[in-house]
Amino acid sequence: EAGVVQSPRYKIIEKKQPVAFWCNPISGHNTLYWYLQNLGQGPELLIRYENEEAVDDSQLPKDRFSAERLKGVDSTLKIQPAELGDSAVYLCASSPGGRGYEQYFGPGTRLTVT
Amino acid sequence: GENVEQHPSTLSVQEGDSAVIKCTYSDSASNYFPWYKQELGKGPQLIIDIRSNVGEKKDQRIAVTLNKTAKHFSLHITETQPEDSAVYFCAASSPGLTFGSGTQLTVLP
Repeated sequence: EAGVVQSPRYKIIEKKQPVAFWCNPISGHNTLYWYLQNLGQGPELLIRYENEEAVDDSQLPKDRFSAERLKGVDSTLKIQPAELGDSAVYLCASSPGGRGYEQYFGPGTRLTVT
Repeated sequence: GENVEQHPSTLSVQEGDSAVIKCTYSDSASNYFPWYKQELGKGPQLIIDIRSNVGEKKDQRIAVTLNKTAKHFSLHITETQPEDSAVYFCAASSPGLTFGSGTQLTVLP
């Protein structure tokens, strides 16, 4: 069974530029999460989707971040415009259910903003 | 919201010895507690988990214990091997995961 797929794996952009990350969850997983991981820290939740609905986006900085999950499968996370402080690893995870179910992570996208 | 504290931040053990990592959580409504192993340049890998209706779970050399009253849970790795060296994270489900700050485990050959 294929795991969570993310692309690109690495991205370097200049500040104020836009950037987008793509995630394909494990087949059949209804719940999809985006996390941000700063160096030396644990991942922090940005947004949680149940199918195509964003059910928890309280930690998403909505002035510059946006996300979508069309048709309840793939998801895209966008930053516009990027700031230096956005440099981090962006992780996508999926789960067959919501609370109390295993979450499986992708390899992440390492973003460097210069 | 949920807050998870993890100790120690670094842990070095000799190959073959045991390693213990401890976490505490704040939200009594949390009911699922996974542990992840993260190697450099990779995403977190689920290694074991425990639900709030269970006090202990074991999978080969890895075990997790949960004390709901005290709101703490622990990861135990026995007979450590060099390939166990990595960063380990505990987490609590609320239902998005709240992670601890991680433990860098080094197993010395």
